[in-house]
Amino acid sequence: GAVVSQHPSWVICKSGTSVKIECRSLDFQATTMFWYRQFPKQSLMLMATSNEGSKATYEQGVEKDKFLINHASLTLSTLTVTSAHPEDSSFYICSATPHNEQFFGPGTRLTVL
Amino acid sequence: AQRVTQPEKLLSVFKGAPVELKCNYSYSGSPELFWYVQYSRQRLQLLLRHISRESIKGFTADLNKGETSFHLKKPFAQEEDSAMYYCAPPVIKSGGSNYKLTFGKGTLLTVNP
Repeated sequence: GAVVSQHPSWVICKSGTSVKIECRSLDFQATTMFWYRQFPKQSLMLMATSNEGSKATYEQGVEKDKFLINHASLTLSTLTVTSAHPEDSSFYICSATPHNEQFFGPGTRLTVL
Repeated sequence: AQRVTQPEKLLSVFKGAPVELKCNYSYSGSPELFWYVQYSRQRLQLLLRHISRESIKGFTADLNKGETSFHLKKPFAQEEDSAMYYCAPPVIKSGGSNYKLTFGKGTLLTVNP
């Protein structure tokens, strides 16, 4: 099956700093990737749809200036959490879709001190 | 718009008991549905898709158009089945670069010894 990787797998940062998370499709091209957020023991929350070569589409309530998404190539999307605060601490998951099912990355655990 | 609903947030059964995780859908076209599973400390992965009518790890799911349901069933639950289960529609472009993607809220299955 298709493989999606994320880097880093975990990151700890100070409040006010920015953190970049990468999502890569390793063996297929993905014009579209999705970014999710997951709190402990809760469901996935779709944050945004990342489109290669164009602007990301954000879900209602997600601040686009806070969560910057760049999809510069067919195999890479990045999510940058800008001026991170403790409430941004969460598990961030990306997925990519070569057809109509999703393949998920392993997730990135972000802890903001 | 495609929408799926998982009415149960938590489900607890004993080992060896039958288990059914509910999923209902509202669709404007021919439904194509998936079940994803997230085991503890692992990434989300596809469990099964209705179109292939396969059985994975003893789980099956039948599309019931009359009841608009796609419930996930297993006759004898095992402890290793404990996980979060998500019902989801396929990834389909609704127009332009926008996707309509509505995961179910997920059901946390606990299989007790």
